[in-house]
Amino acid sequence: SQQGEEDPQALSIQEGENATMNCSYKTSINNLQWYRQNSGRGLVHLILIRSNEREKHSGRLRVTLDTSKKSSSLLITASRAADTASYFCATDPSGNTPLVFGKGTRLSVIA
Amino acid sequence: ETGVTQSPTHLIKTRGQQVTLRCSSQSGHNTVSWYQQALGQGPQFIFQYYREEENGRGNFPPRFSGLQFPNYSSELNVNALELDDSALYLCASSSLDRGDYGYTFGSGTRLTVV
Repeated sequence: SQQGEEDPQALSIQEGENATMNCSYKTSINNLQWYRQNSGRGLVHLILIRSNEREKHSGRLRVTLDTSKKSSSLLITASRAADTASYFCATDPSGNTPLVFGKGTRLSVIA
Repeated sequence: ETGVTQSPTHLIKTRGQQVTLRCSSQSGHNTVSWYQQALGQGPQFIFQYYREEENGRGNFPPRFSGLQFPNYSSELNVNALELDDSALYLCASSSLDRGDYGYTFGSGTRLTVV
């Protein structure tokens, strides 16, 4: 079963624009993680946010977490063509337990 | 620090056959998790191994089995292959002991069952 649901399912933007993806989940979590996947290859860990954190930054990435709404968002600023990929949120219910993934958002950045 | 390596990268099998997929964990990691990702879907958890013991299992039938070796590398075995087993199989390593909850994924094995 999939706990996280990303929204939108697909997103197409111009290079230089910002991209925002949202994730909703159902049960309590220890942490939430975002991953990127290029063309059906392996997943690359982007950022982890713990349940007691509200916002986290890493380079051009900004993640927010609202545990009261059971939702998270991933913002990619000044997008590049190389950011074209699928993005997944994954929840960790109790800390280093198996991740539960959503279906992902397919981001296309057009040069 | 080496990453996670999976082999083979691609595999074609016939329905009813058996397959073994391999994964070497990242240096310093003692936990390996396996995921199945169907086309257009998110990864689904199969099982996890911690220090050579199964440490959790998802909703997969017993014909999916695994092993973890003393060097923390791992195998995923699937018996009696079915067409629906066609998917990308991902291995991820982590360290349950260090409180570092991020996972390092391999590039996956693309299994096609015909």
